[in-house]
Amino acid sequence: GAVVSQHPSWVICKSGTSVKIECRSLDFQATTMFWYRQFPKQSLMLMATSNEGSKATYEQGVEKDKFLINHASLTLSTLTVTSAHPEDSSFYICSVRDSGKETQYFGPGTRLLVL
Amino acid sequence: AQSVTQPDIHITVSEGASLELRCNYSYGATPYLFWYVQSPGQGLQLLLKYFSGDTLVQGIKGFEAEFKRSQSSFNLRKPSVHWSDAAEYFCAVGSYNFNKFYFGSGTKLNVKP
Repeated sequence: GAVVSQHPSWVICKSGTSVKIECRSLDFQATTMFWYRQFPKQSLMLMATSNEGSKATYEQGVEKDKFLINHASLTLSTLTVTSAHPEDSSFYICSVRDSGKETQYFGPGTRLLVL
Repeated sequence: AQSVTQPDIHITVSEGASLELRCNYSYGATPYLFWYVQSPGQGLQLLLKYFSGDTLVQGIKGFEAEFKRSQSSFNLRKPSVHWSDAAEYFCAVGSYNFNKFYFGSGTKLNVKP
């Protein structure tokens, strides 16, 4: 399957600061990437769909100004959590769609802790 | 509305015993069904998927799943569990273009020695 990396794997920040998370597709060009959020002991919830060269599409209830997504190239999408608060602490996972394989491939995730 | 239900939050089995993880779905169109496994602190790894055809699908690591349309189920099975199978398992249904994935709440598998 596709190889997807995320950086950083762990981040701890102070409340009010912004944090950028990178998602890279290492072995194919991904026009579409996805960002998920996973709270402890819960399932993944889709936050937004990241489209290369255009604006991201956000799911209902996700604040676009809070979670900024940039998909500047076919191999990189970034999620910036702006003015982070403790309730933003979560596990953020990106995925890439491989329509040729008819599935999504997931990155290893980034654990964010906001103090 | 689309939804995926995994009724078992935790399951504990002995090593070498058989395993069945349950998954029920509600989806308005033809379902594309997936099982993923997540080890602690890791992303999700695809175990297997079903789109059409033979309702019994084989996956990696010795897993298989059976699609039963009449029961709206897609249960995951393994005949003999290994200690390394201890992880969390997620069932998911995907839209026709694989842009929307709806995940169940997961089943955490513990394996006793």
